[in-house]
Amino acid sequence: EIVMTQSPATLSVSPGERVTLSCRASQSVRSNLAWYQQKPGQAPRLLIYDASTRATGIPARFSGSGSGTEFTLTISSLQSEDFAVYYCQQYNNWPLWTFGQGTKVEIK
Amino acid sequence: EVQLVESGGGLVQPGGSLRLSCAASGFTFSSHWMSWVRQAPGKGLEWLANIKQDGSEKHYVDSVKGRFTISRDNAKNSLYLQMNSLRVEDTAVYYCARDAGYCSGGSCYDRWGQGTLVTVSS
Repeated sequence: EIVMTQSPATLSVSPGERVTLSCRASQSVRSNLAWYQQKPGQAPRLLIYDASTRATGIPARFSGSGSGTEFTLTISSLQSEDFAVYYCQQYNNWPLWTFGQGTKVEIK
Repeated sequence: EVQLVESGGGLVQPGGSLRLSCAASGFTFSSHWMSWVRQAPGKGLEWLANIKQDGSEKHYVDSVKGRFTISRDNAKNSLYLQMNSLRVEDTAVYYCARDAGYCSGGSCYDRWGQGTLVTVSS
């Protein structure tokens, strides 16, 4: 099983700040990585797939980078609606997909 | 509009069974792999199982293998999860999720249901 480790667990940020979230895989997943956003009481929403491609309708302030074992989700200027939990997911290890434990972005 | 609506959750005793359903609409259900993903209270996401478009291929995470069965009925645009021998640690919100179909190496999920809560307790 590929273990996905996200850091930090919680990030306290002010609106307008730049945010960088990290996700590390226990072995290479190439670029087979997605990022999701989840708000309280809601289902996850796909933000980024193939490590760096924004999903349909996702604002340009969200960007993803990385390959292999190290990945980053960047929010260029945090908006109030971006306070949420963010998960990474690998889909390289067919057919067993795994998620990271999440990073909570909270208001500072 | 694409919709996934889960149902069938509830309170069940340890060792009991439950069948979850997911009704799909607004897209060609038979064209997509589908999955179940769960989230224990206050915890992260756990992928459980997936099923191929025609139901001919199914995969499970080890923690549910032999206890849970995923199935689908394309004529009814529905996905199912039969859960047997339930344990306290199976308590979670269960989501059905649609495989986007465009993630290069495997499955990422572009549509999710609202989830249904399963509570396993005596």
